[in-house]
Amino acid sequence: GAVVSQHPSRVICKSGTSVKIECRSLDFQATTMFWYRQFPKKSLMLMATSNEGSKATYEQGVEKDKFLINHASLTLSTLTVTSAHPEDSSFYICSASGSASGLLETQYFGPGTRLLVL
Amino acid sequence: QKEVEQDPGPLSVPEGAIVSLNCTYSNSAFQYFMWYRQYSRKGPELLMYTYSSGNKEDGRFTAQVDKSSKYISLFIRDSQPSDSATYLCAIGTSGTYKYIFGTGTRLKVLA
Repeated sequence: GAVVSQHPSRVICKSGTSVKIECRSLDFQATTMFWYRQFPKKSLMLMATSNEGSKATYEQGVEKDKFLINHASLTLSTLTVTSAHPEDSSFYICSASGSASGLLETQYFGPGTRLLVL
Repeated sequence: QKEVEQDPGPLSVPEGAIVSLNCTYSNSAFQYFMWYRQYSRKGPELLMYTYSSGNKEDGRFTAQVDKSSKYISLFIRDSQPSDSATYLCAIGTSGTYKYIFGTGTRLKVLA
């Protein structure tokens, strides 16, 4: 139980294009989803928190118009990196939390998406 | 002072050694304590979850929480090369899933 998937696992795009990353909770309903960014050999940097049906809450310093987050259902959240530039290249990881029988109320992480902007 | 402090390592140990990983935190309001393991280029995987002082054991892993000292530990017995990864501590409070993560400790178990 508590499986979170991300798609794509890796994406390479040209500068100026937009990239959408999907995060799905496969076997539970995620009331809250989180998006993180991680640089090589660094810890997780929380970008935003989203609750199903609500606007995302962004951390200080994260551009809302740059990183669009949509949490349209209890199993799906998307992160769109708009007009991506090389400095947006990073490892993006989502996590999901929810309550269900036998499920610990904690964050379960997806496998991550590696974005490379040329 | 950071809310959570964790030695980044790297920590190298021989196979079979007992590994001790630690975090300290500053806010006594924190109630939930987690340890995640992250392999290179992968998402973190939940290892241990506890919300009380004392020890919790799961196979070769033991999580220890000392709320009076604001100190949490993860012990790995009979360490294996497959345990080589980055270990992240995370702490949280009741009513929110938003956690504070440590910087992670890189562990290398040598065969």
